[in-house]
Amino acid sequence: RKEVEQDPGPFNVPEGATVAFNCTYSNSASQSFFWYRQDCRKEPKLLMSVYSSGNEDGRFTAQLNRASQYISLLIRDSKLSDSATYLCVVSHFSGGYNKLIFGAGTRLAVHP
Amino acid sequence: DGGITQSPKYLFRKEGQNVTLSCEQNLNHDAMYWYRQDPGQGLRLIYYSQIVNDFQKGDIAEGYSVSREKKESFPLTVTSAQKNPTAFYLCASSRDINQPQHFGDGTRLSIL
Repeated sequence: RKEVEQDPGPFNVPEGATVAFNCTYSNSASQSFFWYRQDCRKEPKLLMSVYSSGNEDGRFTAQLNRASQYISLLIRDSKLSDSATYLCVVSHFSGGYNKLIFGAGTRLAVHP
Repeated sequence: DGGITQSPKYLFRKEGQNVTLSCEQNLNHDAMYWYRQDPGQGLRLIYYSQIVNDFQKGDIAEGYSVSREKKESFPLTVTSAQKNPTAFYLCASSRDINQPQHFGDGTRLSIL
């Protein structure tokens, strides 16, 4: 079983739609959680950290459920420019530091 | 501009040849990392360095080597012992080992 699991998608949605991605992680000792965005053939870019209380950044809302070991990302009012792959990333203490574990990503395609 | 610079963007290697991928950062970050990304998989950690003159193996270090002689530079050598080197290689850095990582724009390595 992968340490971080994501639905690969693609999620095909029209502009203006609300879309949600979930991600599950297996290590209950995971400490930090992030969403990264990766455009086709480009590097991942940090989208937002995920806090226990949930957090929002504009149209993006991230939630963490430690009991069920999943993280979610909600995108409201989707834009064409939101089309990308969204990587769920968790960290846990290993080898003396907080090691990042990357999910394989969920692909989002927003169409007119 | 501050950032992480990887070069070259595309690299072709012949069988049995060693190649070195460059990663330079001017962010004054202590920690640097190398990952490889394969289709349908999450990023996998090759090597990381918490501080200059120190580095540690990641999950898939076999067939790779690194050095960290300067804070700004963390070159990765893909040796002939790496039997499946074709991948997208990403370098990252962070202020320290437990801070969010920021990525360079990657090097695509292919075998001729």
